[in-house]
Amino acid sequence: EVELLESGGGLAQPGGSLRLSCAASGFTFSDYAMQWVRQAPGKGLEYVSAISSNGGSTYYPKSVGGRFTISRDDSKNTLYLQMGRLRAEDMAVYYCARRGGTYPNHYFDYWGQGTLVTVSS
Amino acid sequence: QSVLTQPPSVSGAPGQRVTISCTGSSSNIGAGYDVHWYQQLPGTAPKLLIYGNSNRPSGVPDRFSGSKSGTSASLAITGLQAEDEADYFCQSYDSSLSVVFGGGTMLTVL
Repeated sequence: EVELLESGGGLAQPGGSLRLSCAASGFTFSDYAMQWVRQAPGKGLEYVSAISSNGGSTYYPKSVGGRFTISRDDSKNTLYLQMGRLRAEDMAVYYCARRGGTYPNHYFDYWGQGTLVTVSS
Repeated sequence: QSVLTQPPSVSGAPGQRVTISCTGSSSNIGAGYDVHWYQQLPGTAPKLLIYGNSNRPSGVPDRFSGSKSGTSASLAITGLQAEDEADYFCQSYDSSLSVVFGGGTMLTVL
């Protein structure tokens, strides 16, 4: 059974940093591209970052580019999101998700339960 | 403002059929990119409901169906049940923006 378990969320000050982790199990982690998707309280879904199966390619939208870094450790079956220079608008539940399908018609076939990031002084 | 437009809410009585629209443009749905749908039950993570416009993952009831035409897509739910009450999101790819989501539609079962 595919499982994705996020951790690392919590309270951070504006301008601060947090590192999120996503532990994967139930599938061959190194075979799959992975991504982070966030959801602000009461809002919709926003694509935050993606990394290819071999880690050689990453993607960030303009809203987080230069502040967030996605990485993976296939030896630990773990996905990471290093978040820096946090802003109030980064406050959200962050989900890690496995990519299904093929680019550009890919989708997210499994999701973690999410971890809440709160940005406040 | 989301790139893909969904109605904020829809409702229906048990047993009825409801549809949720997802309207895009020539740079996403209209460009031929696939549309996918997710169901988010209250307090839980999104779950893949429809992929590749009209395909159901294993375990998704055939009461759920998807279609696409031109710059729009639709999710149809037949035989509405109380457990279908949730938020529904569409997702596609945009040639300028990468992955894009709809703003979400809250389905209320009356």
